Formats: sequence, C-alpha cells, structure tokens
Amino acid sequence: SQKIEQNSEALNIQEGKTATLTCNYTNYSPAYLQWYRQDPGRGPVFLLLIRENEKEKRKERLKVTFDTTLKQSLFHITASQPADSATYLCALDLENQGGKLIFGQGTELSVKP
Amino acid sequence: NAGVTQTPKFQVLKTGQSMTLQCAQDMNHNSMYWYRQDPGMGLRLIYYSASEGTTDKGEVPNGYNVSRLNKREFSLRLESAAPSQTSVYFCAISPPRLTDTQYFGPGTRLTVL
Repeated sequence: SQKIEQNSEALNIQEGKTATLTCNYTNYSPAYLQWYRQDPGRGPVFLLLIRENEKEKRKERLKVTFDTTLKQSLFHITASQPADSATYLCALDLENQGGKLIFGQGTELSVKP
Repeated sequence: NAGVTQTPKFQVLKTGQSMTLQCAQDMNHNSMYWYRQDPGMGLRLIYYSASEGTTDKGEVPNGYNVSRLNKREFSLRLESAAPSQTSVYFCAISPPRLTDTQYFGPGTRLTVL
C-alpha cells in the first residue's frame, strides 16, 4: 500500500538559518505533491504544489524539490523566523482517485530567536 | 480557514451516543472531504463527496456515515460513538481540478468517554 513518511522528530533551528524538511514515499508514483502548514488547534493551510515533471518550485522564502527517482520531496524555509514555527505536512495525490490526497504525519518545526 | 465552517468546535460524548458533525462552505466547490487527525497518524480520509448527491469511502470509513444533501453542506455522523473515535475532525473542500489545493475548516475536537 502507499506510504508517506516525514521526519517524526521535531526540528529545532536558530532564527535566520535554513530549515529543511523531508517527505519520502513508497509504492506509487504521484502526479503532484503538496505542502501544508498547520498551527496548533487549526486546520492545515496550503503552501505549495509541485508536479512530477518539476524539479523545484519557489515561493518567497519557501522552496520545494521533487525527486521522483528517489521518491522524495524536500521543503526548505530560508532565513527562518520564529513565526515559521508550526507543523508542516506533505500530501500526495492518489492516482486515478479523483483528487483524493494521502498525507504524511507532519514534522514540527520550532525556530528559536 | 476562510470559506469552510464546522460545528461544533468541541464535543464530549459517552460511548454509544450519536452525533452529527456539520460542515458548510461558501466557495461553491464541488468536492468535500472529511478527515480525522490523530497524534502521529497524520490526516486520514474518512469519506469524500465529489459532487452533490455522491459520496465515497476513504481510508477509515468504519463507524461513520455521511450525507451530502446539497452543494454547500457535508455532514459526518457517528451512530454509536466509541473511544477509538476520539480525534480531531477536519472538513475540507477543493475545486474541480485535481491539482488544486484543499481548503480546510477549523476542526472539531471530539472526545468519546
């Protein structure tokens, strides 16, 4: 069955550094991958989408890479700020299943001033 | 979480009681989803509805029923609540294109004693 894994341990970094989060998947080939941010007590909020034929996508301080050979996506936040502290979820489409997504369990990021 | 509302925000039930979680959207999107989120498990799809009048099972449908009476509303019913259904429940919507983002509601925190 399809499986998605994100770093289960929380990531703690210093303000101004680059945070890198990992999303690995097995047993299928998604057409696209999405990253969401979730703050405590709130629903996830969409950040970025990258398609299988794109190697890299950027939005302001965010960068996502997608390596379909390694079956891995990396999510980078450059010049991180305490306000970036949250849980970040990756999600992949389920092939031929009408827009349904499968989510990773999320990685908690803490940026210290 | 603009555009998707959920009621109630919190609920405590006793084992065997029933209840309905409500979700409503004002974005006129066709697809609506119900997820549950448990610690370490990520978001898991319970049911989804691709359009008014249609519903389909997701990854964890047992113990739940849904109803999509109109385009705007999608409800999730627990007929006989069990402690294993203690979770945070999120409703989400997405526009027709498969690659489009999902917009999540604020969630309902349910505890079954």
